[in-house]
Amino acid sequence: EIVMTQSPATLSVSPGERATLSCRASQSVSSNLAWYQQKPGQAPRLLIYGASTTATGIPARFSGSGSGTEFTLTISSLQSEDFAVYYCQQYNNWPRTFGQGTKVEIK
Amino acid sequence: QVQLVQSGAEVKKPGASVKVSCKAFGYTLTDYYVHWVRQAPGQGLEWMGIINPSGGGTSYAQRLQDRVTMTRDTSTSTVYMELSSLRSEDTAVYYCARDGCSSTSCPGKAWFDPWGQGTLVTVSS
Repeated sequence: EIVMTQSPATLSVSPGERATLSCRASQSVSSNLAWYQQKPGQAPRLLIYGASTTATGIPARFSGSGSGTEFTLTISSLQSEDFAVYYCQQYNNWPRTFGQGTKVEIK
Repeated sequence: QVQLVQSGAEVKKPGASVKVSCKAFGYTLTDYYVHWVRQAPGQGLEWMGIINPSGGGTSYAQRLQDRVTMTRDTSTSTVYMELSSLRSEDTAVYYCARDGCSSTSCPGKAWFDPWGQGTLVTVSS
C-alpha cells in the first residue's frame, strides 16, 4: 500500500502568518491527492482535491500544489478558525491511505 | 443539501458485533460510491472499505476483510457497516464518506466529500 508521510507533525504559527504543510507519497499518486481539515469533535472537511483544486466554500487562503510524490498545502494568512489537524489522502491506488496528520497550533 | 446522517453511539462487549447506518440526503444514493473510515481516540484516519450502492459490490481493507461487511438498502437510501468479533482496539469513531465525484464521472478515483457526522463505537467489558 502507498504510505503517506506528513511533515511536520506539529506546526506552531502565529495568526496572520503563512503555514506550509508537506505530504509525501511512497510512490507516485499522480494528482489524485486530497487535503482535509479536522477540528476536535468534528468530521474531516474537504479542502483541496486533485492536488490543487479548492473545494466549494473553502476560503482562497487555502491552496495546494504538487504532483507525483510531493505535495504542499499552504494557508496564506492563518485565521483563528484554521487551527486544526490537517490530513492528506491519496485516492490513486487501493487501499486509500491517509497521512498521519499535521496539527497546526497557535504560537 | 447533500449530507450523510449516521446512527447514534454504541457500546458493545468484546466479541459482539455492531452495525452502523449512514443515510443519504440530497442526492441519489446509487450515483456515488460510499466509503467507511474510522478514527481511534487521538489517532489518524483509517480507510475500512467501499461499497457501490448501485450494485452492492464491495472492497475491504485487507486487515478487516474477515470481520467487516458493508451493505445498502436503496429503498431507504441507507448504507450499513457491520463489524464483528469486536475487540478493544475497535473503539473508534466510524465515519461514512461519499465519493466527491459520481461513479460515472470519476470511476474509481475520487476524493471524499461529504462525510457523515461520525458514530462512536466503544468496546468494553
